[in-house]
Amino acid sequence: SQQGEEDPQALSIQENENATMNCSYKTSINNLQWYRQNSGRGLVHLILIRSNEREKHSGRLRVTLDTSKKSSSLLITASRAADTASYFCATSAGYSTLTFGKGTMLLVSP
Amino acid sequence: EAQVTQNPRYLITVTGKKLTVTCSQNMNHEYMSWYRQDPGLGLRQIYYSMNVEVTDKGDVPEGYKVSRKEKRNFPLILESPSPNQTSLYFCASSLREYGTDTQYFGPGTRLTVL
Repeated sequence: SQQGEEDPQALSIQENENATMNCSYKTSINNLQWYRQNSGRGLVHLILIRSNEREKHSGRLRVTLDTSKKSSSLLITASRAADTASYFCATSAGYSTLTFGKGTMLLVSP
Repeated sequence: EAQVTQNPRYLITVTGKKLTVTCSQNMNHEYMSWYRQDPGLGLRQIYYSMNVEVTDKGDVPEGYKVSRKEKRNFPLILESPSPNQTSLYFCASSLREYGTDTQYFGPGTRLTVL
């Protein structure tokens, strides 16, 4: 069952601009994670935010979680061309599976 | 180096010819999963394993088998592949339960079934 849905599907920005991606989900979750995937490669974990947390930072990444709205956002500040990738949110309601959204494709142009 | 490896990375086969995609992790992780990724559908979980000899179905298990005889290995078996199993496959592992821990992904296996 597809839980998280990212928005927008695609995003094109210039270097040094900020990129914001959103994730909405339908049922209560324990945690939400964000992953990055460079074209055709394996996913790389970016950040995990627990259901009792509202905001988390990691370098140029900022993740927020609003459990009342069942949504999360990923902000990448001062984007670089190397940030070009697809970004996925993944949710866990139980502890046995992780459900991924369809992803946001980010293109950062020099 | 901590990693998840998959073999082969690319495979072209014909309908009905049994194949196995291997997955191995060197991090002593208990949890392992297989996903398939298709355009417009994102990643969907095929099977997962919480420990040796403990496996369970994910969202799209039809046409696949798995086994977990050793902690480090989690092969994906297609007994009779069909064209609709053409996809990009990923193996992943994590130390603790999926929702509480980082998943480490393999590099992917691109499978084409003719």
